[in-house]
Amino acid sequence: KQEVTQIPAALSVPEGENLVLNCSFTDSAIYNLQWFRQDPGKGLTSLLLIQSSQREQTSGRLNASLDKSSGRSTLYIAASQPGDSATYLCAVRPAGGKLIFGQGTELSVKP
Amino acid sequence: NAGVMQNPRHLVRRRGQEARLRCSPMKGHSHVYWYRQLPEEGLKFMVYLQKENIIDESGMPKERFSAEFPKEGPSILRIQQVVRGDSAAYFCASSPFERPNTGELFFGEGSRLTVL
Repeated sequence: KQEVTQIPAALSVPEGENLVLNCSFTDSAIYNLQWFRQDPGKGLTSLLLIQSSQREQTSGRLNASLDKSSGRSTLYIAASQPGDSATYLCAVRPAGGKLIFGQGTELSVKP
Repeated sequence: NAGVMQNPRHLVRRRGQEARLRCSPMKGHSHVYWYRQLPEEGLKFMVYLQKENIIDESGMPKERFSAEFPKEGPSILRIQQVVRGDSAAYFCASSPFERPNTGELFFGEGSRLTVL
């Protein structure tokens, strides 16, 4: 059974710091991995999608990597800003179509 | 191109009533997924539908819950005889037909159900 774990559960950093969020999954048979952002009381915003054949994807200050064989992904946020404060969710997509989510990392960036 | 549209955004029901949540996928998307997010918990898969077909309902409780995605109109998640434990945010996501396994999922803003 596929399980997704995100560490840390919560993170507080001062503005300007670079930071890394971690995601691990137990079964490497996935089609892709997707990182989302969720603001309180809001829906999910897709940040990055990495297909199983890819090693990383970049969008602006965000960079996500995927090491499928070891079951790990990282989301790197450069030069963090208070507006980056949110919960970040990692989700993997095994065969069958549905996404399986981790519990999320709650990020707080202090001005 | 409008995103995934869910309504109502907020719904209050008394115990024993029925709740109907609607989801219109993005234009051109024919795959719909429903997820539930309980307070302080992660997102849990409920059901995966294509037009007129339920593909995977392994995450949906066997009783009181049902889902459909008719040929015309939005997908509906129906909860009969609601109980307080059904209070949660229900999210819908869609993906394009031509990439059922590798396409990106896009989520709606969610419907927040409160059962009194």
